[in-house]
Formats: sequence, C-alpha cells, structure tokens
Amino acid sequence: AQSVTQLDSHVSVSEGTPVLLRCNYSSSYSPSLFWYVQHPNKGLQLLLKYTSAATLVKGINGFEAEFKKSETSFHLTKPSAHMSDAAEYFCVVSDQDSGYSTLTFGKGTMLLVSP
Amino acid sequence: ETGVTQSPTHLIKTRGQQVTLRCSSQSGHNTVSWYQQALGQGPQFIFQYYREEENGRGNFPPRFSGLQFPNYSSELNVNALELDDSALYLCASSPRDMFLGADTQYFGPGTRLTVL
Repeated sequence: AQSVTQLDSHVSVSEGTPVLLRCNYSSSYSPSLFWYVQHPNKGLQLLLKYTSAATLVKGINGFEAEFKKSETSFHLTKPSAHMSDAAEYFCVVSDQDSGYSTLTFGKGTMLLVSP
Repeated sequence: ETGVTQSPTHLIKTRGQQVTLRCSSQSGHNTVSWYQQALGQGPQFIFQYYREEENGRGNFPPRFSGLQFPNYSSELNVNALELDDSALYLCASSPRDMFLGADTQYFGPGTRLTVL
C-alpha cells in the first residue's frame, strides 16, 4: 500500500516570501504524485502532477515541485507567496496496485499568508 | 472549472435516514470515484465505478453504495446514516486510458452532509 506524509499541518508565511510545503511518500514502485489545493468551501483543484517525465514539475499559479527518489520526497515550492495562495494543500499518490487508479491523500497542510 | 458538478451543495439529515448524492462527470470520462472528507482530514477513497460497474472499494461498509449511468452521471447512496457520516463528499472523474492520464482525477465542488 502506498502512503503520503505531509510534514507540517500548518505553514505561515508573509506575502512575497518563499513557500515550502513538505511531502514524503511511500510507494512500492514508480508512483504518480500530485499536489491539489483546496480553498475554503471549495472542491479540490489540481496544481501539478509528476509522472517520471521530469523530476522538476511546474504547475499553475507559479508553484513547482521536485521529485527526489533518493529522499522519497515531493516538496511543493513557490518563490513568492500571494494572499490568494492561502488554502489547504494536499500531497497525493496514485495507487495502481489493485489494477485501478485511486488517490491516497496526505492529511493536508494549511498555508497561512499574512500581509 | 473541472466540468464536474455535484448536487446538492449542502444537506442535513438525521441519524438512521438514507441519502443520495449526485455527480455529473466531465464529458468523456468513464471512470468516477467518490471520496469522503471529514473535517480537518484529507479525502478518503470510498469506491470507484467504471462503465457502470464498481471496480474498487476503500474501507467503507456496504451501506455506502453507488450507481453510474451511461450519461456520465453517478450517485452515492448512504443508508442508515450515522453521526460520523457527517463530511464533505467529493466525486472525481477521470478517463480510463492511461495515455490520457487515467490517474489524474478532476474533482467536483463537493456535497456537505450533516447528520444530526
């Protein structure tokens, strides 16, 4: 079974400073990894996806994530936070073990952005 | 916008009742998955349907059941509601073809269910 650990439940940054949201995964084979964002009272929006084509993945709204197999990590970064980035972020691994694709979510990291 | 819609947006039920939640998948996506997101938690997989057949289930009891229809719509039914069923229920659609990204799921806005 695959699993995801998000290392911080909350991250606080000031507007204009860098963002780092940390994620470690456990997988028995080469996984697909995702970051989704959830704004208050909204559904989940796909930020980016890793599928082994390139270790550095660029997503929407200036976010990117780097896949590091040796560290089993898939951390999400953004050079400069914006107030609109305040939301909950989920690191997700795709499970193919059972012959169909399901998503296993981390517990989420709440990003707080102060002016 | 993902093209996935859900109804209703909010619902209040009492313990022991039954509820049906509805989802309309993105056009061309023949796989739909349902997830339960309890307050302060990440979504948990309930089950998945492909071509109107259930082809995978998470750790949820049989009182959680579903239907998928040929017109890309689907339902989640929950019988004998319990207080712990209070959660946001999310449906997600995806194409079956791995080349098209079968493991990428596109989520609807969710239905907030409150059980009193």
